[in-house]
Amino acid sequence: ETGVTQSPTHLIKTRGQQVTLRCSSQSGHNTVSWYQQALGQGPQFIFQYYREEENGRGNFPPRFSGLQFPNYSSELNVNALELDDSALYLCASSLLRTGEAGTEAFFGQGTRLTVV
Amino acid sequence: QKEVEQDPGPLSVPEGAIVSLNCTYSNSAFQYFMWYRQYSRKGPELLMYTYSSGNKEDGRFTAQVDKSSKYISLFIRDSQPSDSATYLCAMDEETSYDKVIFGPGTSLSVIP
Repeated sequence: ETGVTQSPTHLIKTRGQQVTLRCSSQSGHNTVSWYQQALGQGPQFIFQYYREEENGRGNFPPRFSGLQFPNYSSELNVNALELDDSALYLCASSLLRTGEAGTEAFFGQGTRLTVV
Repeated sequence: QKEVEQDPGPLSVPEGAIVSLNCTYSNSAFQYFMWYRQYSRKGPELLMYTYSSGNKEDGRFTAQVDKSSKYISLFIRDSQPSDSATYLCAMDEETSYDKVIFGPGTSLSVIP
């Protein structure tokens, strides 16, 4: 088991609602990346947070937003939920140091979001 | 054409077989190549990590990268039922993990 924890594990929401997912990074890690994994697909990169700022973003609309806190934990917020947002949401933590290669990313177990 | 392609399987092999899993990609800027294993209802777990072309071995697992052909492989020797999982290849231009592109995954079943 990695030291990355996500909550909640499962969630059911109605189309149009808003949802907040949470991730606690592994001790010593300063970077959190969020991924969306649809059934039968590989994870798709949503965005990354490093030192409390967004540090890269994939091809997701602005209704996907995030935060990183001083303790490096992170939240993923999704507004105006659509049926296609139903997926496993994964966070991964890693350690980035300026001018050095990053460490491997460790994934949490994910939050299964169902939008009905 | 998708950026990373992978045969989705499912792949079913008898215990003890050698398994070959493959991915092709289109972005020649990829330099870092990873293989993840994902058990059902779990997050991906990093198995192998390779920089640029070449081979890397770790126990029963061997990763190969051929950048000239844009082709990577993972070999599993003496496969075990516990190897039954989905295997995801992943690639990145840098090690900042902010542009990691995953393949769709290959489902593997190792039959006792």
